[in-house]
Amino acid sequence: GQNIDQPTEMTATEGAIVQINCTYQTSGFNGLFWYQQHAGEAPTFLSYNVLDGLEEKGRFSSFLSRSKGYSYLLLKELQMKDSASYLCAVVDSNYQLIWGAGTKLIIKP
Amino acid sequence: IAGITQAPTSQILAAGRRMTLRCTQDMRHNAMYWYRQDLGLGLRLIHYSNTAGTTGKGEVPDGYSVSRANTDDFPLTLASAVPSQTSVYFCASSDGTGGVKTQYFGPGTRLLVL
Repeated sequence: GQNIDQPTEMTATEGAIVQINCTYQTSGFNGLFWYQQHAGEAPTFLSYNVLDGLEEKGRFSSFLSRSKGYSYLLLKELQMKDSASYLCAVVDSNYQLIWGAGTKLIIKP
Repeated sequence: IAGITQAPTSQILAAGRRMTLRCTQDMRHNAMYWYRQDLGLGLRLIHYSNTAGTTGKGEVPDGYSVSRANTDDFPLTLASAVPSQTSVYFCASSDGTGGVKTQYFGPGTRLLVL
């Protein structure tokens, strides 16, 4: 079967760095997305990785290791507005997105 | 403002009633999707459409139907609602039908079936 695992909830302090992990087992792999979802709102696109390595976009970076079935989202200089759920989604062999349940990130002052 | 709109924003529905959730996009995207999001579960694909005139079944299609008469609209119908269909429903769209495309989401419809 297909499986995406993320921690259910994480807590971090404003100004700090946090790493949100995602491991996956899917039928085929055509890339991995990270989305941000604030409470009561729609998911919004953060990043897409298809090759191994780290991609940086401002305060957010995303890493992929295809051999390990592993990705992480790194958030630096945390701000209160970063409090949200972060969704990991893998593109399978049929180009459909398989979604993890999401990680709720709580930022404390 | 370009994007995806969904209606209604929220709805309370009696079990057994028929309901259509509306979704409209003005980005001229070829592909559109309907997901449901439940607490503790990831987004689950209900139905999708790669282009106007075609539709396909996702992971959880039972109890739902869709149509795609034109590029902009992709309504989702619950023929006879049941309490297990209580959920948040998101419509999404993406540009193109082949390969990997970023999906853009509407604001969602919160549905409670009693």
